[in-house]
Amino acid sequence: GAVVSQHPSWVICKSGTSVKIECRSLDFQATTMFWYRQFPKQSLMLMATSNEGSKATYEQGVEKDKFLINHASLTLSTLTVTSAHPEDSSFYICSASIPGQGYYEQYFGPGTRLTVT
Amino acid sequence: KNQVEQSPQSLIILEGKNCTLQCNYTVSPFSNLRWYKQDTGRGPVSLTIMTFSENTKSNGRYTATLDADTKQSSLHITASQLSDSASYICVVTDNNAGNMLTFGGGTRLMVKP
Repeated sequence: GAVVSQHPSWVICKSGTSVKIECRSLDFQATTMFWYRQFPKQSLMLMATSNEGSKATYEQGVEKDKFLINHASLTLSTLTVTSAHPEDSSFYICSASIPGQGYYEQYFGPGTRLTVT
Repeated sequence: KNQVEQSPQSLIILEGKNCTLQCNYTVSPFSNLRWYKQDTGRGPVSLTIMTFSENTKSNGRYTATLDADTKQSSLHITASQLSDSASYICVVTDNNAGNMLTFGGGTRLMVKP
């Protein structure tokens, strides 16, 4: 149980175009989902927290107009990278949290590799 | 500022050997500490999670320890296998509203035959 999927697993796009990444909780409902970015040989960096039915909360330094997050349902959150540039090339990982035993467990998706040419 | 420091940054061991990874944190107030394994190009997978009152937890060949007084944790891998080659990430959750996670930089482990 507690499986999180992402689609696509990898994508290549041209500079200036937009790319949408989907994050789904397959067997549970997630009121909160998180989006992370990971550069090579670095740890995960939280970009934003996505709550179903409300606006996402972005971390300092993350442009909300560039990284559009939509948490349309309890099982789906999307991240759209608008007007992508080569510096946006990274590994994007989502996670979903569910309560359990007094704390919230986070389950991570398999990640999406974005390459902007 | 909440911080999680891991050591070593990278480690190479021979198949069958044991190894221990370290994690020091300054997250407060403390809620729980998790160890994740992240294979290259994949998302992190949880190995163990420990709360304040837990000193040790095992998951197969993985054994995590926690000393809440010194704010240190370790992950011991026994009889390493080639498939253990991955990054191991220590993540500490605070007990404030939002339960924010603080990630360590990870230890990149390579197991050689």
